[in-house]
Amino acid sequence: AQSVTQPDIHITVSEGASLELRCNYSYGATPYLFWYVQSPGQGLQLLLKYFSGDTLVQGIKGFEAEFKRSQSSFNLRKPSVHWSDAAEYFCAVGAGQAGTALIFGKGTTLSVSS
Amino acid sequence: IAGITQAPTSQILAAGRRMTLRCTQDMRHNAMYWYRQDLGLGLRLIHYSNTAGTTGKGEVPDGYSVSRANTDDFPLTLASAVPSQTSVYFCATTDRGYTINQPQHFGDGTRLSIL
Repeated sequence: AQSVTQPDIHITVSEGASLELRCNYSYGATPYLFWYVQSPGQGLQLLLKYFSGDTLVQGIKGFEAEFKRSQSSFNLRKPSVHWSDAAEYFCAVGAGQAGTALIFGKGTTLSVSS
Repeated sequence: IAGITQAPTSQILAAGRRMTLRCTQDMRHNAMYWYRQDLGLGLRLIHYSNTAGTTGKGEVPDGYSVSRANTDDFPLTLASAVPSQTSVYFCATTDRGYTINQPQHFGDGTRLSIL
């Protein structure tokens, strides 16, 4: 069965420092991978997605993620974190079957310290 | 502005009562989904609909029902609410119902508390 693991429940990063949020997936074929961000009291907003091709994908708000098939990972990165990046981040994998939806990780909460 | 509208924004409900959460979209997306979000559990799929007239069960469908009479509306009904259904509920859409190649768009959620 498909699954997504986000090993870090909570991460604190200093403003201006770099960020990496980890995501590991379990899937039998080429996955469709997504990163979403959720600000408090809001819905989810898509940051970036990977379907095929270049394994380094660029997203909005200066985020990028790299697909590594050998490690079954899709880690999210940002070179310099801003205070406004404090939010909860969800990694998700597409199940690859018609009529099914995304499977989400349990999320990583990012706090940004000044 | 095009998007997904969920109503109500929040609700406190007595256990045993019937409740319908509304979701309306104006993007003409084929597929619609209901998720619940619980602390430490992420988002879990309750029900989905590939297109008007069809629905399917997700990971946690028990205690919930849905209908899809038209493209725009996808209401979620709790026939007899129980405290374990206290959660934040998100409606989402995908603009190609038979693939997951397109990202899902999310509403702002309904915060439901069952007492």
